[in-house]
Amino acid sequence: KQEVTQIPAALSVPEGENLVLNCSFTDSAIYNLQWFRQDPGKGLTSLLLIQSSQREQTSGRLNASLDKSSGRSTLYIAASQPGDSATYLCAAQGGSEKLVFGKGTKLTVNP
Amino acid sequence: EAEVAQSPRYKITEKSQAVAFWCDPISGHATLYWYRQILGQGPELLVQFQDESVVDDSQLPKDRFSAERLKGVDSTLKIQPAELGDSAMYLCASSPRTSGRNEQYFGPGTRLTVT
Repeated sequence: KQEVTQIPAALSVPEGENLVLNCSFTDSAIYNLQWFRQDPGKGLTSLLLIQSSQREQTSGRLNASLDKSSGRSTLYIAASQPGDSATYLCAAQGGSEKLVFGKGTKLTVNP
Repeated sequence: EAEVAQSPRYKITEKSQAVAFWCDPISGHATLYWYRQILGQGPELLVQFQDESVVDDSQLPKDRFSAERLKGVDSTLKIQPAELGDSAMYLCASSPRTSGRNEQYFGPGTRLTVT
């Protein structure tokens, strides 16, 4: 059974800082890994999807990497802004197509 | 840009009452998912449809929950009777039929509070 863990559970940084969010998964037989952003009381916004054959994906200030062999993914946020404050969720997709989510990292960027 | 639609956005109901949620996926998306997210947790899959057929409902509490997607387009999730522990965010997602990315697109969710 796939289990996804995100560390840290919460992170507070000053504006402008570069930061890394971590995601680990127990079953390396994944189809892809997806990173989401969730604002309080809202739905999920997809940020990046990395296929199992890929090593990383980039979108603007965001870069996500995937290391299947070690069961790890990281989300790198450059030059953080207060508007980046949200909960970030990673999810692994296996052959059944369902997403298995971590509990998320709550990010606060202080002005 | 096409989006997944859900209604209502918020629902407050009393314990033992019936409640229903509606989801309209992105046009042309064959796969539809219902997830439940308890506060402070990640979403967990309740049921997955491929067109009008249920593919996975192993985590759906079938004594009180039911889901349908009669014409393979929009879907309804029902709870009867609601219990206090059902208070959560109910999220609907869809993905296209094509293999490969299988990226899931989420709706805004329905926040259920059972009193």
